[in-house]
Amino acid sequence: DTAVSQTPKYLVTQMGNDKSIKCEQNLGHDTMYWYKQDSKKFLKIMFSYNNKELIINETVPNRFSPKSPDKAHLNLHINSLELGDSAVYFCASSRQLGGNTEAFFGQGTRLTVV
Amino acid sequence: AQSVTQLGSHVSVSEGALVLLRCNYSSSVPPYLFWYVQYPNQGLQLLLKYTTGATLVKGINGFEAEFKKSETSFHLTKPSAHMSDAAEYFCAVSTGGSYIPTFGRGTSLIVHP
Repeated sequence: DTAVSQTPKYLVTQMGNDKSIKCEQNLGHDTMYWYKQDSKKFLKIMFSYNNKELIINETVPNRFSPKSPDKAHLNLHINSLELGDSAVYFCASSRQLGGNTEAFFGQGTRLTVV
Repeated sequence: AQSVTQLGSHVSVSEGALVLLRCNYSSSVPPYLFWYVQYPNQGLQLLLKYTTGATLVKGINGFEAEFKKSETSFHLTKPSAHMSDAAEYFCAVSTGGSYIPTFGRGTSLIVHP
């Protein structure tokens, strides 16, 4: 059983389209995250939810909207996709917010905007 | 504020040689420190972490790291590299008051036969 699963694994789409990435964790964790990894492998936090509430919203364009229907799910919807959105997007979860708890990552979604 | 610096974006070793990946952190309060590994086309997974107590921390796959407060370092080592260790390694720092960890820019470990 995959602890943090995200779908799809690969996503190729045209500029201007709207797309969603889904994430589910079966670890019973309270906190979930979305990270963006660029072509140089730099990891940047985008959002963090704790018990379905948005805690962290870094300087991410409004075209990105996270939604957490329950503690186990955190989806990412992206409107009007741009070339610069091409990256690998990782969902992660942790038992609690920050501190000494490690994060568990999904396998990533490689988004390519053409 | 907290930050992490990983020295060397690429480290190349021969199979069987010592692996040393460097990580220095900055934190105004006692830190929690993590090393993660990312294999090609996969997500990150935890190798080891330091929270409190013993400063030498052992992790999976024969890796270990030592927290040195005086040097603000948390270097990752493995006595003998294996081909399967080739991956991207990330150091991260967190504190009791921070919501999310800060990740370093990663070090790519290359293992030559």
